[in-house]
Amino acid sequence: EVLLVQSGTEVKKSGESLKISCRASGYSFTTYWIGWVRQMPGKGLEWMGVIYPGDSVAKYSPSFEGQVTISADESISTAYLQWPSLKSSDTAKYYCARRDVSGRMPLDSWGQGTLVTVSP
Amino acid sequence: SYVLTQSPSVSVAPGQTASITCGGDQIGTHSVHWYQQMPGQAPVLVISFDRDRPSGIPERFSGSNSWNTATLTISNVEAGDEADYFCQVWDSSRDHVVFGGGTKLTVL
Repeated sequence: EVLLVQSGTEVKKSGESLKISCRASGYSFTTYWIGWVRQMPGKGLEWMGVIYPGDSVAKYSPSFEGQVTISADESISTAYLQWPSLKSSDTAKYYCARRDVSGRMPLDSWGQGTLVTVSP
Repeated sequence: SYVLTQSPSVSVAPGQTASITCGGDQIGTHSVHWYQQMPGQAPVLVISFDRDRPSGIPERFSGSNSWNTATLTISNVEAGDEADYFCQVWDSSRDHVVFGGGTKLTVL
């Protein structure tokens, strides 16, 4: 069974750094992309970017380029999303999701989400 | 960038058919995927490649895609279908995923 298990709820202050994780199991971690999706309170889904753990190539949506870093550790089948300096506007739920090699493929498995709350 | 447009809400009585649309420029030339998101839950893929149902998704869920509109159709709607539904395509020109704004399905 494919599983993506994300790290727990985070409560941070503006200006602090943060790294959240997405641990994969049940498939070959290095042969699928892992994407990150933001969902702000009461809003829709926003694509942030994606990483291919096989070679750690990361691609970012223009809206998030330079704001976050996506990385992966093949040895523990875990992808990461990190912020160097949080803003209150980063308050949202963040999901990781798996995608096969081609960009045309759907996001077929999702993590349970990590809620990040940033106070001013 | 490529834009997908969904109506914010659709309401339907139990047992009726719900049609949720996703508009985009020549969306018929893209592969469209649909996700269901229950309140407080992660999204779940319900239709891939315009019309394919993943394992475990009821036959009541179907999809179509032509010209400038893709449609998710839910037949014989049940109270448990009440959720937000998002369409998604891949923008090959920018090599990234695009989501529609989402449609809230209310079962009356």
